[in-house]
Amino acid sequence: DGGITQSPKYLFRKEGQNVTLSCEQNLNHDAMYWYRQDPGQGLRLIYYSQIVNDFQKGDIAEGYSVSREKKESFPLTVTSAQKNPTAFYLCASGGIAGVGDTQYFGPGTRLTVL
Amino acid sequence: AQSVTQLGSHVSVSEGALVLLRCNYSSSVPPYLFWYVQYPNQGLQLLLKYTSAATLVKGINGFEAEFKKSETSFHLTKPSAHMSDAAEYFCAVSGPSGANNLFFGTGTRLTVIP
Repeated sequence: DGGITQSPKYLFRKEGQNVTLSCEQNLNHDAMYWYRQDPGQGLRLIYYSQIVNDFQKGDIAEGYSVSREKKESFPLTVTSAQKNPTAFYLCASGGIAGVGDTQYFGPGTRLTVL
Repeated sequence: AQSVTQLGSHVSVSEGALVLLRCNYSSSVPPYLFWYVQYPNQGLQLLLKYTSAATLVKGINGFEAEFKKSETSFHLTKPSAHMSDAAEYFCAVSGPSGANNLFFGTGTRLTVIP
């Protein structure tokens, strides 16, 4: 089945630790995205990548880093510099939103800082 | 600049009643508009999208939305609510032409009362 997988589903982090969230897609999409979801705030864009080895900051990139070494994979690292990382993280892939392409979402990773 | 406003963070309807979820957009260019649904602890699923082909857009699960340029609105409706419709609904507008970004509203949580 084609789709987007995210792992783990739940992740717990201690203060000062870096953690990496996995996102894999087999939809052969060029573009991939990371969003953060907080209650009552909708989704906010963290980073996106249009092609391998290239990525762009979104609206809330501070404290996060990404890589895009393979078309299928777009891992997100939440660094210790992110002051309030507890949130639901959603990965998406798809085409160009500015021409009406659809973004498809993974099931999400819930990160909790202990 | 693109933005979306969803009026009503919570909407309750009786089973079998009309569902109306409101979305108003702001866009400096002709927009592409999307409605997504999110069930608890899951990713987002596309319900429907407007790409200028027709002002009345039909989506999955009996939902539809009408694009009204004069009112800058894209409200989501369903004639008869079902218990399985209980979820959170997000309206989104695309970024400028050629851009990857989606700008999301803050969401509306729909409760269906038996």
